[in-house]
Amino acid sequence: AQSVAQPEDQVNVAEGNPLTVKCTYSVSGNPYLFWYVQYPNRGLQFLLKYITGDNLVKGSYGFEAEFNKSQTSFHLKKPSALVSDSALYFCAVRDIRDTDKLIFGTGTRLQVFP
Amino acid sequence: DAGVIQSPRHEVTEMGQEVTLRCKPISGHNSLFWYRQTMMRGLELLIYFNNNVPIDDSGMPEDRFSAKMPNASFSTLKIQPSEPRDSAVYFCASTLGYTGADTQYFGPGTRLTVL
Repeated sequence: AQSVAQPEDQVNVAEGNPLTVKCTYSVSGNPYLFWYVQYPNRGLQFLLKYITGDNLVKGSYGFEAEFNKSQTSFHLKKPSALVSDSALYFCAVRDIRDTDKLIFGTGTRLQVFP
Repeated sequence: DAGVIQSPRHEVTEMGQEVTLRCKPISGHNSLFWYRQTMMRGLELLIYFNNNVPIDDSGMPEDRFSAKMPNASFSTLKIQPSEPRDSAVYFCASTLGYTGADTQYFGPGTRLTVL
């Protein structure tokens, strides 16, 4: 079965420190992977996606993610966290049986402390 | 581009009343999705359309929920009658819908409270 897992409900990091939000996937074939961010009382905003090519994908607001096929992971990273990065982050994988659909993880709440 | 537009942004109603949520997708997008988000269940796909045709409604909770897309620029999600357990944030999203690589873009959501 296809799935995506975000093992951490919450990640806490001090401002200025690097951050990592973890995501692992289970899907046969080549995965299409996405990261979204949701700020309070807002809709989900697209951050970045991996389709093919370079395993390191750069996205909005200084975020990047590394696709690792052997570990079936797609972790979101940022070299220096900002308090304004505090939000809910969702990882998603394209459903290969119905390629219009996304399978979302349960979300990870990132809290950046000053 | 204006992005995905949803209305109303907030809706408060009483149990038993009919509720209609509206969505205008991004112009030129061929697929439209309705999601529901709650603390307990997270983000759930309710139904999606491609070229105005419902493709997968397996996530619609029950017959009280219905969705329509009469044209490429408008969709509605209706709940009749509404119940307190329907309280949630409802999101609409759209995508070009040509390839699996296309990005879904979300609207700001409608926060529904059923008293």
